[in-house]
Amino acid sequence: DAMVIQNPRYQVTQFGKPVTLSCSQTLNHNVMYWYQQKSSQAPKLLFHYYDKDFNNEADTPDNFQSRRPNTSFCFLDIRSPGLGDAAMYLCATSSVVTGSLWDNSPLHFGNGTRLTVT
Amino acid sequence: SQQGEEDPQALSIQEGENATMNCSYKTSINNLQWYRQNSGRGLVHLILIRSNEREKHSGRLRVTLDTSKKSSSLLITASRAADTASYFCATDGYPWGGKLIFGQGTELSVKP
Repeated sequence: DAMVIQNPRYQVTQFGKPVTLSCSQTLNHNVMYWYQQKSSQAPKLLFHYYDKDFNNEADTPDNFQSRRPNTSFCFLDIRSPGLGDAAMYLCATSSVVTGSLWDNSPLHFGNGTRLTVT
Repeated sequence: SQQGEEDPQALSIQEGENATMNCSYKTSINNLQWYRQNSGRGLVHLILIRSNEREKHSGRLRVTLDTSKKSSSLLITASRAADTASYFCATDGYPWGGKLIFGQGTELSVKP
């Protein structure tokens, strides 16, 4: 089945130690998103890739970076994790028609990576 | 920035009862979507309603949209214990609809 896969499901890192979370998709969707979700809160959009074009949210800290080497893979790099970065990180994909004002593609989410910072 | 606000934050009902969740948003939209999240898992898309639609059905789900009031509601009829989850509304970034901003969600508990 076509899907969005996130690895690992659980990641523990030390304060200040760089960590990379990965996401892959078999849906061939052109847009990939990274959301951060803290306990009992809404998912918060960090950034998204529209094909190869990177789009950062204005309030996403510089500590968070992303790479999309090809259509299928996207990575979230946290350069110096702090205790406040402990959260569930959700990757999602969608298919967006260029120039469409009526894009109605739902997002397909992976099961997330729960990051613990010690 | 948060676009959607949901009400109530938590809802507890008995199996067989109906559950209604409400969502309000602030700016113009192309469409509004509802998602479900089981504990510790990713979100699953439930239903999408366009800005020119007023009501939509999918199985036991009914969604309404009132663009004049900038609000939407999700009704789950004849609820089951398996419906226990968090439910989020999400609105897109008008005019380009590809980016979704989620509301705070309603935590639904259905007791058997």
